Amino acid sequence: EDKVVQSPLSLVVHEGDTVTLNCSYEVTNFRSLLWYKQEKKAPTFLFMLTSSGIEKKSGRLSSILDKKELFSILNITATQTGDSAIYLCAVESNTGKLIFGQGTTLQVKP
Amino acid sequence: GAVVSQHPSRVICKSGTSVKIECRSLDFQATTMFWYRQFPKQSLMLMATSNEGSKATYEQGVEKDKFLINHASLTLSTLTVTSAHPEDSSFYICSALLTGNTIYFGEGSWLTVV
Repeated sequence: EDKVVQSPLSLVVHEGDTVTLNCSYEVTNFRSLLWYKQEKKAPTFLFMLTSSGIEKKSGRLSSILDKKELFSILNITATQTGDSAIYLCAVESNTGKLIFGQGTTLQVKP
Repeated sequence: GAVVSQHPSRVICKSGTSVKIECRSLDFQATTMFWYRQFPKQSLMLMATSNEGSKATYEQGVEKDKFLINHASLTLSTLTVTSAHPEDSSFYICSALLTGNTIYFGEGSWLTVV
């Protein structure tokens, strides 16, 4: 059975801290791994990863995929209160179906 | 602007009634759309894959007679929650697969059954 597991499930940090969110997966017909940020409504897209070892970066966020060990990490440096959200990892199969992890709830305190 | 439009964004209905949620792809044709459900403090769970012109494919544990999916055109998929109960209250969200394998989400619909 396909599954995506995220850790930790929740995290509380202070502004300026760096956080690392983990995502491991077991999915047949893997096409890509995606990271989303969800606040109050629909998830907003962060990264799509398809190749191992290539870091994707957007401002203070970065992510990398290891297709051999079947995991990905999402790093956020110099966290801000606006980073507080649920971060979702999803693996896309070759049919376009997304299998989501449980999400990591991040709270950044001032 | 939105690439996938979902309507309504919020709906309250009485127990026992049916409610329809629409998912439209704007400016592109989506032969495949997906419907997800998210309960409070939980992740998104895939309910079904909606294919234009054919029957939807439901995930295990999702009642196809309760959650009716119709994908009658290349830009519209609808999810009808029939005989809704309070436990159906949830956040429902659709996504559309664009040629080139880009996925776009709708804005989501909050359903409250009272």
